[in-house]
Amino acid sequence: QITLKESGPTMVKPTQTLTLTCTFSGFSLSTSGVGVGWIRQTPGKALEWLVVIYWNDDKSYSPSLKSRLTITKDTSKNQVVLIMTDMDPVDTGTYYCAHTQRHSRVTMVRGVPRVDYYSYVDVWGQGTPVTVSS
Amino acid sequence: DIVLTQSPLSLPVTPGEPASVSCRSSESLLHRNGYIYLHWYLQKPGQSPQLLIYLGSNRASGVPDRFRGSGSGTDFTLKISRVEADDVGLYYCMQTLQNPWTFGQGTKVEIK
Repeated sequence: QITLKESGPTMVKPTQTLTLTCTFSGFSLSTSGVGVGWIRQTPGKALEWLVVIYWNDDKSYSPSLKSRLTITKDTSKNQVVLIMTDMDPVDTGTYYCAHTQRHSRVTMVRGVPRVDYYSYVDVWGQGTPVTVSS
Repeated sequence: DIVLTQSPLSLPVTPGEPASVSCRSSESLLHRNGYIYLHWYLQKPGQSPQLLIYLGSNRASGVPDRFRGSGSGTDFTLKISRVEADDVGLYYCMQTLQNPWTFGQGTKVEIK
């Protein structure tokens, strides 16, 4: 059974740096196709995808937040860490880490194999609330 | 960014009756490999979202067959054949075709 749990401060001040840790079980981040991502939810319930890191250390960041985000993994500890700099009150919300599956599909194009990838989020953590306020 | 627009935003339903949620994309979500990069989630009250449908029409493990995803290109639908009380919550569509991955605004399903 796959489970993920987020941990970190519940409150930070504007301009401070937020560090969140995702501790997971039921899978390994050294297994091909496996990734862990971060998604946040505003108080108004809108969802925003932030970043994902895969088993091979491939990372994909939301362009609008890329300059403020860093994601790392520690496979031996079954943890993923998200760092977000220069926090602002608009960053207030619930932060989720989530197991992400990346698959490949091979199709033949004029006799030549072509590999495409697809991903989807399949298991979410319980979420951790973060408030940004002075 | 790809914009996903859901409708309706609020859906009162009667138990035992069917229900339908629409998700319209600003760009086609049909990849050249033939897959549709559109997924559906349900966030029950007080819980985190759970995967219902992936790649447009594939039910996730443990999801009852009364949930069905369909659509192609830019228009997608999640249908519940017979709504149960446990189906209340926020329904979201999500696309993973293009970075950044984006979500619809959510549709709140509640019992009449």
